Amino acid sequence: AIRITQSPSSLSASTGDRVTITCRASQGISSYLAWYQQKPGKAPKLLIYAASTLQSGVPSRFSGSGSGTDFTLTISCLQSEDFATYYCQQYYSYPLITFGQGTRLEIK
Amino acid sequence: QVQLQESGPGLVKPSETLSLTCTVSGGSVSSGSYYWSWIRQPPGKGLEWIGYIYYSGSTNYNPSLKSRVTISVDTSKNQFSLKLSSVTAADTAVYYCASTPGEYFQHWGQGTLVTVSS
Repeated sequence: AIRITQSPSSLSASTGDRVTITCRASQGISSYLAWYQQKPGKAPKLLIYAASTLQSGVPSRFSGSGSGTDFTLTISCLQSEDFATYYCQQYYSYPLITFGQGTRLEIK
Repeated sequence: QVQLQESGPGLVKPSETLSLTCTVSGGSVSSGSYYWSWIRQPPGKGLEWIGYIYYSGSTNYNPSLKSRVTISVDTSKNQFSLKLSSVTAADTAVYYCASTPGEYFQHWGQGTLVTVSS
């Protein structure tokens, strides 16, 4: 099974900061990667799919890049509403879909 | 905008079968535009994909749960359902239903907590 490792597991930052979260796959997954944001007590929200395609309605300060085994989610200018947990998800090894373990983004 | 809503018992006894239903609004389970998925999240932990169904009834399940999972669809009610048999405390989780346009999860229900306890 393809393993997804997210780093860091937690991160402290301030509003206005530029933040990068990384996902590494145990083998190449082309661009079959999605990113989600989850706030406490809420369902995850799709941010990006196909590694770099922004879901409709998601602010442009969010961006995704990468292919193969290494991927990044970048938030260019943190807003207060961006403090949440972020998950990546690979869908290359269909039908076995797997998620990263999550990155908790906290206010410094 | 597709909206989803989970419903079902919040408490299930060990060894029994967990049953949940997801009602879809703003779209049709028969449209062919989506697969319809179940995902779960144990308290304080990460996300686990359970499986999905197409309107035709075609299914795919997580191999780790496959022996205990059944997902079905009722196009007349615009719903799809999850059954998970022989549950244990390890199945305690928030269960989400979601629309799946391409093996990622676009629209999500609010989630429902299911606790397995006697």
